[in-house]
Amino acid sequence: DIQMTQSPSSLYASVGDRVTITCRASQSIGSNLNWYQQKPGQAPKVLIYAASRLQSGVPSRFSGSGSGTDFTLTISSLRPEDFATYYCQQGYNTPRTFGLGTKVEIK
Amino acid sequence: QVQLQQWGAGLLKPSETLSLTCAVYGGSFSGYYWSWIRQPPGKGLEWIGDINHSGRTNYNPSLKSRATILIDMSKNQFSLKLNSVTAADTAIYHCARGVRGVIILTDYQYMDVWGKGATVTVSS
Repeated sequence: DIQMTQSPSSLYASVGDRVTITCRASQSIGSNLNWYQQKPGQAPKVLIYAASRLQSGVPSRFSGSGSGTDFTLTISSLRPEDFATYYCQQGYNTPRTFGLGTKVEIK
Repeated sequence: QVQLQQWGAGLLKPSETLSLTCAVYGGSFSGYYWSWIRQPPGKGLEWIGDINHSGRTNYNPSLKSRATILIDMSKNQFSLKLNSVTAADTAIYHCARGVRGVIILTDYQYMDVWGKGATVTVSS
């Protein structure tokens, strides 16, 4: 299985901050990396697919980059509704695997 | 707009079989992979498996062949059965639509529509 390692596991930030979350795959996955946002009591919501493609309807303050084994999710200016847990997921092969998540909390 | 509605028994005893169904409303069944993902309380996401419209399945080997995913095209539904459950199977179970494609020679796969989730508790 491809292991997905996210860092940090949690972070504290303020509204307006630039936030960066990283995800590392245990082997090369090309650009087959997705980012999801999950709020308490809700299902995950896809933000970014294919490493850098913004899902329709997702605000442009979210962006993704990377290829191979190292990937980044950036929120350019944190808004109150962005406090949530973020997961990366590889779609390169099965079993699909997720990172353990990064919880973004209010400073 | 595509919506997924899921249902199934919420409380099971050890060794029983978990059974969940997910109905797809407002969209085509063909051309997608229909997935199950679970999330133990306070933990991360685990992909269980998926099925396409022709019945081709993929499963997570971690479930050691306990999972079966079926599709009913006539009802626009797909289902999950997980046998011999234990307390470790206690989780929120989500159904989701999987999208696959190619962009400029780059493959991609992701889940773009999710059900709200069904809580399953295994307890004696």
